[in-house]
Parts: sequence; C-alpha cells; structure tokens
Amino acid sequence: KNEVEQSPQNLTAQEGEFITINCSYSVGISALHWLQQHPGGGIVSLFMLSSGKKKHGRLIATINIQEKHSSLHITASHPRDSAVYICAVNSGGSNYKLTFGKGTLLTVNP
Amino acid sequence: DGGITQSPKYLFRKEGQNVTLSCEQNLNHDAMYWYRQDPGQGLRLIYYSQIVNDFQKGDIAEGYSVSREKKESFPLTVTSAQKNPTAFYLCASRNSFPNTEAFFGQGTRLTVV
Repeated sequence: KNEVEQSPQNLTAQEGEFITINCSYSVGISALHWLQQHPGGGIVSLFMLSSGKKKHGRLIATINIQEKHSSLHITASHPRDSAVYICAVNSGGSNYKLTFGKGTLLTVNP
Repeated sequence: DGGITQSPKYLFRKEGQNVTLSCEQNLNHDAMYWYRQDPGQGLRLIYYSQIVNDFQKGDIAEGYSVSREKKESFPLTVTSAQKNPTAFYLCASRNSFPNTEAFFGQGTRLTVV
C-alpha cells in the first residue's frame, strides 16, 4: 500500500467549477507538499504546509494532521489549470526524503 | 534567475550504452535529488546528496551512479546494468534545513532503443 494516496486519479471539470483534490497519508510527517506538473514534465511547487491552511490566488491547501489528510482546492477553475497535481510528504528524519502520491490528472474544459 | 537546469530534455540511447544526465542549480542549495517517474507511478528516489562529495542511495539505486564534486552539480549516470532505463528523470534541490520547499528541474525523458 502506497504511503500517500491521492483521489481522484482523474478529474474533468468545466471552466469555472470548484475543484477539490484529496491526499491521505499513513505515516507521521513534518510537512506536506502540493506540486503541479504540466505536460512536458516540469514540476512546480505550489504549497508546503505542516498545519492549517494556505492560500495563493485561486489555490487553497488545507491539512488536518490528526486525520492525516490534506486537500487542494481550485476556485473558478480555468483550462490553464489543467495539469497533474501531486501530493508529497516529508516524513522527517535526517535525509529529507519526500514520498510522492501518484498524482491527479485534472482537465478543465472551456 | 535562480533555478535548476536539466539537460538534455530528450535523450535517445542504444541498449547497453551508459548515458549521463546533467543537473545544475544556482540556488545555493545543499541537498540535491534524482527521481524517476514512470506512467501510473509516483516519483521514486534514485539517489540524493546532502553535501558535496557525499551521496546516498535512494529506493531504486541499482543500475545508476552519481557524483557530487561541486555544490551546484549532481549528474546521474544510467548504466547498462539498469534493466528498464526508459523513463522520465527529474532532478530536485532544496535547502538542507528541515521543511523547506523543493525545486524541480524540467526533466529529461530518456528512451533506450
């Protein structure tokens, strides 16, 4: 069983819809990352959080440490939001390893 | 601008040949990482380095080798011993302080024929 589970695997939305992507993890963590991967492959870090909630533009990330769960929300989705969204956790320790989920492919249609 | 540069973006090699993927960063980060990405799977750690002249095996190090002679450079060699080398390879770096963001390169897609 993967230590980091994302849902859904694939998500198709219409422009303007509110999007939620979920991430559950089974290990103790020191931080959780949300990443965005566009076609072509490069990855961009969206958020890093260890508690509470962060907002950047139309993106909101929340984490519940007790429930070992995080969500990424996109408000007023746009076709340019189409990408793979990846959740990764840092389980701490001295090696700063990240464990990644398999990603959620989001397609926003105009 | 600061960032991570991977080259080349696409690479083709014949089976049995070693090939080296480049990763350079000008972010002054201590830690650098190499990941492999296959369809339907999460990124898997190949090697990482937290300081110059030191590196550690990740979860799937067999068939790969690395060096860290300079802080800004962390090349990955895919050797002929790697049984399934065709994949997308991503390099990342981060500050060595706990809970800092990771920065990723644009990746190299390696195809072995």
